[in-house]
Amino acid sequence: EAGVVQSPRYKIIEKKQPVAFWCNPISGHNTLYWYRQNLGQGPELLIRYENEEAVDDSQLPKDRFSAERLKGVDSTLKIQPAELGDSAVYLCASSLGGDGSYEQYFGPGTRLTVT
Amino acid sequence: AQSVTQLDSQVPVFEEAPVELRCNYSSSVSVYLFWYVQYPNQGLQLLLKYLSGSTLVKGINGFEAEFNKSQTSFHLRKPSVHISDTAEYFCAVSYLQGAQKLVFGQGTRLTINP
Repeated sequence: EAGVVQSPRYKIIEKKQPVAFWCNPISGHNTLYWYRQNLGQGPELLIRYENEEAVDDSQLPKDRFSAERLKGVDSTLKIQPAELGDSAVYLCASSLGGDGSYEQYFGPGTRLTVT
Repeated sequence: AQSVTQLDSQVPVFEEAPVELRCNYSSSVSVYLFWYVQYPNQGLQLLLKYLSGSTLVKGINGFEAEFNKSQTSFHLRKPSVHISDTAEYFCAVSYLQGAQKLVFGQGTRLTINP
């Protein structure tokens, strides 16, 4: 069974530039998550989708971040414009359901460096 | 606010020695508890989870954890570690009420020395 796929694995951009990350969850997983992991910290939830619907985006900085999950499968997370403080690893995860008891399966992440 | 505290940011141990990684959470309600491991340049992988029932939970790679409700703790243990256990370990909690989102601790870096 294929795991969660993310691309690109690494991205270096200058501040004020836009950037996008892509995620393909495990087949059949209705719930998709985007996390940000700062250096030396645990992941922090940015947004959670149930199928196409964003059910928890309370931690997403909506002035510069946006996300979509068209057709309830793949998802894209965008930052525009990027700031120095956005440098982090962006993790995508998926699970069979959104109940807190479900195991989340994580992708390898995209390491973003903003210069 | 929901929070998870991992009391040690780094734990160095010798190979074949026992190890305990400590985790405490803030809660006055029922919780689900998880331990995830992150190897270098990889995503997080579930080691074990506590949902209900027996407070001693066994996971993969010989790890186990014990849920202590009175002390709001979920410490991770392994009786004999290997070089391959070198990784970052994260404790996480989700709550049965409310947002049900997963809240992670800041992680413990386990380094195994030969």
